[in-house]
Amino acid sequence: LAKTTQPISMDSYEGQEVNITCSHNNIATNDYITWYQQFPSQGPRFIIQGYKTKVTNEVASLFIPADRKSSTLSLPRVSLSDTAVYYCLVSESGGSYIPTFGRGTSLIVHP
Amino acid sequence: DADVTQTPRNRITKTGKRIMLECSQTKGHDRMYWYRQDPGLGLRLIYYSFDVKDINKGEISDGYSVSRQAQAKFSLSLESAIPNQTALYFCATKGRLNTGELFFGEGSRLTVL
Repeated sequence: LAKTTQPISMDSYEGQEVNITCSHNNIATNDYITWYQQFPSQGPRFIIQGYKTKVTNEVASLFIPADRKSSTLSLPRVSLSDTAVYYCLVSESGGSYIPTFGRGTSLIVHP
Repeated sequence: DADVTQTPRNRITKTGKRIMLECSQTKGHDRMYWYRQDPGLGLRLIYYSFDVKDINKGEISDGYSVSRQAQAKFSLSLESAIPNQTALYFCATKGRLNTGELFFGEGSRLTVL
């Protein structure tokens, strides 16, 4: 089971780019990196998933270096509504994978 | 309509009472999960099920039980509720692909007095 480590909290201001880095040193060859966003009193929702290099969608970008031991979620030009907790998970491709959430990164966006 | 529906959304009960939280999904997924979230903490897994005949304990199953009545339904029971079970409970579903995304319900807030 690949353990993930990410900062407990981050602060930013509206309009800035936010980068949240997650470490997953023992990620296995076929595992994917998945990020979820959770607003207060709501269930987490999928943001983005990647295997290597860069993935971009309408919400965020995910950068994964060649060694895949870390990944960075990038939120461009954040707004107040991006205030949330962001979770990084390693999605194991083999066996009976059980999604495990850590404490995530609490992002607060200030006016 | 939501793909994953939890009932009740809010419940206040007393110590010792039996409580059932229900979850139903229209995603057609095999895998269903119950998580618990306490303030400032991440989600902790209580029970999970990979199909109708499969039930597995998670990280914090003591004091809880589950029933998978059908592919679409997964219920969580507290046989005798205690105050430290006050929390926000989430049901989630996922398809068979391990790398597939989880779909969460809106949560059930339980308060045990």
